[in-house]
Amino acid sequence: ELKVEQNPLFLSMQEGKNYTIYCNYSTTSDRLYWYRQDPGKSLESLFVLLSNGAVKQEGRLMASLDTKARLSTLHITAAVHDLSATYFCAVDPQGGSEKLVFGKGTKLTVNP
Amino acid sequence: GAGVSQSPSNKVTEKGKDVELRCDPISGHTALYWYRQSLGQGLEFLIYFQGNSAPDKSGLPSDRFSAERTGGSVSTLTIQRTQQEDSAVYLCASSLGPAPWAQHFGDGTRLSIL
Repeated sequence: ELKVEQNPLFLSMQEGKNYTIYCNYSTTSDRLYWYRQDPGKSLESLFVLLSNGAVKQEGRLMASLDTKARLSTLHITAAVHDLSATYFCAVDPQGGSEKLVFGKGTKLTVNP
Repeated sequence: GAGVSQSPSNKVTEKGKDVELRCDPISGHTALYWYRQSLGQGLEFLIYFQGNSAPDKSGLPSDRFSAERTGGSVSTLTIQRTQQEDSAVYLCASSLGPAPWAQHFGDGTRLSIL
């Protein structure tokens, strides 16, 4: 059974600082997705990573995938308050399966 | 509307009652997914519909849960004899074809069982 673990689950950081959120998974997969969820809102797709070594960047966020290590990272550069949200990673266990397995999420709070 | 629409947005009901949750996918999207998000947890896959194919029901937690999709569009998720552990946010998503990486999510139905 595929397990997806995110850490940390809670992250409080100051504006301007850098930090990395980690997403580890237990079985082979080369498809991993990152989502953002604001309180009371639904999920917004951030990044789609479809191969080993994939790196995607959008603004202050950068995501990467290492399929050999079964690890994805979401790096935050010079955080701003607007990045406060919960971030989820989700793994596609069978490459094209529709049954995504989600991590528990990382609740990020960026303090002024 | 342009997005995935779910109703009701909030539902409070007594233990033992049946509830129906509705999802209107984006027009033209053939794939529809239901997820459950319990407090402090990630999303848990429940069921997947794709076109006229038989749905993948492998994520439904018990036989009290069922879902249907009429006419390849609107879907309803029914929970019979609700239990307190059914309290969660139920999210629906749709995509143009079987493309989990391109799912558009609705805002969810927050279900509270008293």
